[in-house]
Amino acid sequence: DIQMTQSPSSLSASVGDRVTIICQARQDITYSLSWFQQLPGKAPKLLIYDASNLETGVPSRFSGSGSGTDFTFSINGLRPEDVGTYFCQQYRDLPYTFGQGTKVET
Amino acid sequence: QVQLQESGPGLVKPSQTLSLDCTVSGGSLTRGNYYWNWLRQPAGKTLEWIGRVYSNGYTNYNPSLKSRVTISLDTSKNQFSLRLNSVTAADTAVYYCARYRSSWSFDHWGQGALVTVS
Repeated sequence: DIQMTQSPSSLSASVGDRVTIICQARQDITYSLSWFQQLPGKAPKLLIYDASNLETGVPSRFSGSGSGTDFTFSINGLRPEDVGTYFCQQYRDLPYTFGQGTKVET
Repeated sequence: QVQLQESGPGLVKPSQTLSLDCTVSGGSLTRGNYYWNWLRQPAGKTLEWIGRVYSNGYTNYNPSLKSRVTISLDTSKNQFSLRLNSVTAADTAVYYCARYRSSWSFDHWGQGALVTVS
């Protein structure tokens, strides 16, 4: 299995701040990485696919970058409705695996 | 707009079989290049991929669960199903069905179904 390591596990930021989350893969996954947002009590929602592509309808304050083993997810201008948990996930190889999640609070 | 909805018992006894269905609306299970997946999430933890089925019935499973899992299609109902046998308390989780699109990953999800093993 490809292990995905996310950091930090939680963070607290102010509205309007830039928030950055790191995801590292144990082996090269090229660009096969997505980012999900999970609001409290809800199903995950796809935000970013292929490491940096914004899913249709997702606000442009969300962005992703990276390739290989090191990836970054950012929220540029945190809003109150962004509070939740964010997960990275690789789809380079089966079984698909997720990071441990980053809980974002304000 | 594709929508997925899980259904099934919310309580299962230890050693018995967990069974869930996922009904897909707004699109056909057999059209397009999609895989139909089951995932789960224990309370406060990350997501675990259980397995997937393609439109032709071909399946892949997580090796950690492979000996206990069966995923199948019912094209007449536009549903796919999960069966997990010999359950224990460790299988207590919210179970999600989701559509996987190549290079997009999981782009549509059900709302989730809490299954408690007790």
